[in-house]
Amino acid sequence: IAGITQAPTSQILAAGRRMTLRCTQDMRHNAMYWYRQDLGLGLRLIHYSNTAGTTGKGEVPDGYSVSRANTDDFPLTLASAVPSQTSVYFCASNGQGAFYNEQFFGPGTRLTVL
Amino acid sequence: AQRVTQPEKLLSVFKGAPVELKCNYSYSGSPELFWYVQYSRQRLQLLLRHISRESIKGFTADLNKGETSFHLKKPFAQEEDSAMYYCALSGLGTALIFGKGTTLSVSS
Repeated sequence: IAGITQAPTSQILAAGRRMTLRCTQDMRHNAMYWYRQDLGLGLRLIHYSNTAGTTGKGEVPDGYSVSRANTDDFPLTLASAVPSQTSVYFCASNGQGAFYNEQFFGPGTRLTVL
Repeated sequence: AQRVTQPEKLLSVFKGAPVELKCNYSYSGSPELFWYVQYSRQRLQLLLRHISRESIKGFTADLNKGETSFHLKKPFAQEEDSAMYYCALSGLGTALIFGKGTTLSVSS
C-alpha cells in the first residue's frame, strides 16, 4: 500500500507557466487537502475536497485550483505561477473508521518559481 | 477566530533534559487537538491526538480547556526527537489548522 503519493518531487518553474501538482491516494479516503508549508508560517490550507465531485477553498486559495473527478486523485493547478508560490506543497487525506480525523500526508512537492 | 499558537520557533535542549513544546489555541466549541511531527526528509505524521490520551515515543499532551492549551511534554529528550513539531486543531470541516511549528533540537 503506497498511501499518498505526490509528483513531481521537486520542480523549478518559470513565472507565468502553468503547473499541475499530482496527488494520488489508495486508501479510499473521502476527504483530501492541499497545504503549503512555508518557514515561519507553518502549514496553510489551500483547497480541500470532502468527497469526489466537491471542492472548497481554504485559507490561501488565490492562484490555485483543484479538481476531484474521482476518490483517488486530487490535482492542484497553478494557472500562472508567481514567485510567491515558491513553497513545499503537501497533499493529505483524512482517515476513516479507526483512523477517523487522522490526516495522512504525502511526501511533498518542493516548487520553486523563478 | 480559530487559531493555533506555538510561541517558540526553536527549542534547544540537551539529551536527557525535559522537553515542553507549548501550544495554545482559540476555538469556539469543542476542539480536537493534535500534534504532528516531521523528521528530517520525511513526511508529516501524527504523533498524538488528545482524545486518545496515550503516550507515543515518551511524549504526552493534555488538553487544558481552562487555559486553552495542549502542551507536548517528554521527561527525557533523546537525540532522535529532533524534528519539527506542529500543533493542530480540527476546523473547517475536517481540515486542520496548524500552528507555525517549533523546531526541537536535542544535542548530546
